[in-house]
Amino acid sequence: EDQVTQSPEALRLQEGESSSLNCSYTVSGLRGLFWYRQDPGKGPEFLFTLYSAGEEKEKERLKATLTKKESFLHITAPKPEDSATYLCAVQADGGFKTIFGAGTRLFVKA
Amino acid sequence: GAVVSQHPSWVICKSGTSVKIECRSLDFQATTMFWYRQFPKQSLMLMATSNEGSKATYEQGVEKDKFLINHASLTLSTLTVTSAHPEDSSFYICSASAGTTTQETQYFGPGTRLLVL
Repeated sequence: EDQVTQSPEALRLQEGESSSLNCSYTVSGLRGLFWYRQDPGKGPEFLFTLYSAGEEKEKERLKATLTKKESFLHITAPKPEDSATYLCAVQADGGFKTIFGAGTRLFVKA
Repeated sequence: GAVVSQHPSWVICKSGTSVKIECRSLDFQATTMFWYRQFPKQSLMLMATSNEGSKATYEQGVEKDKFLINHASLTLSTLTVTSAHPEDSSFYICSASAGTTTQETQYFGPGTRLLVL
């Protein structure tokens, strides 16, 4: 069964303290892996799409990487405005159904 | 680019009434639209997938007659919660995909919060 597991559930960082969020997945043929940011009471905001192992993408303080079993979202020198829930999702070959992980709630303290 | 809007952003209704939520892709044609439901501090739960001009595909456990989905055009999908009850109160989010081989990314609307009294 296709599955996405994110860890940790919650992460508290000091401003400037770099860290990584993990997304482990089990899927029968990966079509794409997605990272989203969600602020409370709002819809998810698209961050990255990764398609194949070894691929990396960057945007400001965020960098996403992908292996055959997991993806990491690296946050370098985070700021309080990076506080949000980060969602990982996968799409399997053969369809458009996207499976979401439960998310990692990130808190960055000034 | 890739903006998706939802209307209304929040709605309060009495039990037994029906509520319609609109989802629009503003700057691209969405061949596929998705409807999700999200409970507090939980992730998104896919309710149904709809393609323009065809019937929606509902996930297991989602009542087709209760959650009516219409994907009338390449930029508009609607979700109607019929005979709403308090347990239908939730955050409903739509997303849209252009659906090409290189654009499977889903872009989400801002969500609609429904409270049924």
